[in-house]
Amino acid sequence: QKEVEQNSGPLSVPEGAIASLNCTYSDRGSQSFFWYRQYSGKSPELIMSIYSNGDKEDGRFTAQLNKASQYVSLLIRDSQPSDSATYLCAVSSNYQLIWGAGTKLIIKP
Amino acid sequence: GAVVSQHPSWVICKSGTSVKIECRSLDFQATTMFWYRQFPKQSLMLMATSNEGSKATYEQGVEKDKFLINHASLTLSTLTVTSAHPEDSSFYICSARDWGGAYEQYFGPGTRLTVT
Repeated sequence: QKEVEQNSGPLSVPEGAIASLNCTYSDRGSQSFFWYRQYSGKSPELIMSIYSNGDKEDGRFTAQLNKASQYVSLLIRDSQPSDSATYLCAVSSNYQLIWGAGTKLIIKP
Repeated sequence: GAVVSQHPSWVICKSGTSVKIECRSLDFQATTMFWYRQFPKQSLMLMATSNEGSKATYEQGVEKDKFLINHASLTLSTLTVTSAHPEDSSFYICSARDWGGAYEQYFGPGTRLTVT
């Protein structure tokens, strides 16, 4: 059974600080990795995708991938209260996405 | 780009009736669409995967005769909840995968179903 693990949180971060969200996965053959943001009562929204080792930056978001360690992370710089949400990690495996349970992030003003 | 619509956004129905939910990819062709269910404060739960022109693949524990899925075109999939009961009340979300893309899924806004 392929798995994706995330700390459920909540992770509480002061406004303006860096929020660091982590995800580990079990399928060494996975090639595509995604971070989704889900606000309470809303559907998930794709915010980052990463396919190769290293860092990928998009505005205040940076995704980091380490395939050797089977680890993917999301950094949010200058955290804002509007970043408070649940962040879902998704990993490709056998033509599907395997989902983590999500980490709840709370940005404290 | 990559917009997925879902209709209706919310619906209330009486126990024993059926409800149809539509999912459309508006600006891309989706050979594969997915249906999820999410209960309050719980994780997304994949119900089924539908491929255009073929039968849906249901996850273990999901009753295929109760949750009918039809993916008749590259832009439309429907989920029909038959003989709905109060325990079927949930947030139903569809997603679509662009046939030319990687594995990313684009989600519709969801349908909140309440069965009374």
